[in-house]
Amino acid sequence: SQQGEEDPQALSIQEGENATMNCSHKTSINNLQWYRQNSGRGLVHLILIRSNEREKHSGRLRVTLDTSKKSSSLLITASRAADTASYFCATFNQAGTALIFGKGTTLSVSS
Amino acid sequence: EADIYQTPRYLVIGTGKKITLECSQTMGHDKMYWYQQDPGMELHLIHYSYGVNSTEKGDLSSESTVSRIRTEHFPLTLESARPSHTSQYLCASSEALNVPSGYTFGSGTRLTVV
Repeated sequence: SQQGEEDPQALSIQEGENATMNCSHKTSINNLQWYRQNSGRGLVHLILIRSNEREKHSGRLRVTLDTSKKSSSLLITASRAADTASYFCATFNQAGTALIFGKGTTLSVSS
Repeated sequence: EADIYQTPRYLVIGTGKKITLECSQTMGHDKMYWYQQDPGMELHLIHYSYGVNSTEKGDLSSESTVSRIRTEHFPLTLESARPSHTSQYLCASSEALNVPSGYTFGSGTRLTVV
């Protein structure tokens, strides 16, 4: 399977704390993306990090990429209750035709 | 707000029925996709399209079929629904092939076959 793996599967934190999620892929990473999914809804694109980039910031999000380890991390700083959702990383399949998604990390932020 | 629409939002049907899940986007995106997602699980690609009259099967075997007669429309059809088809179906679109860009997703259709 080309599916990615997120770690941890679930994360519970308090408001104001930082949340770190990791993902790894079995195949080489090609323009990795992170998405957010609220319960029972579609996914929302958060950030894209290109294969030649090592770190990228967007608001309270910080993404790192290690292509040699085929892994990425997403850091959400100063979390809010509204950040409660599932977070997925995705990269293109070997054919380059479509994104393949990891299993996701479910984040719960309590106030 | 995403400009990609899926209908119906929820659907409960009996075994053996034929159903079509609708997906339309107003962004003029060339590429469109269908993913299947069981609750709390990863997404699996079942179909995709590069443009009009182009359809391809995805990584996950599916008994569904798709068509792409117009750029904005990418419906998915199940000829004879079974309980094993119960799942959430997510439609997405993206821009031109050579530009790495994020996908825009619809809100999904949650299908239950009884």
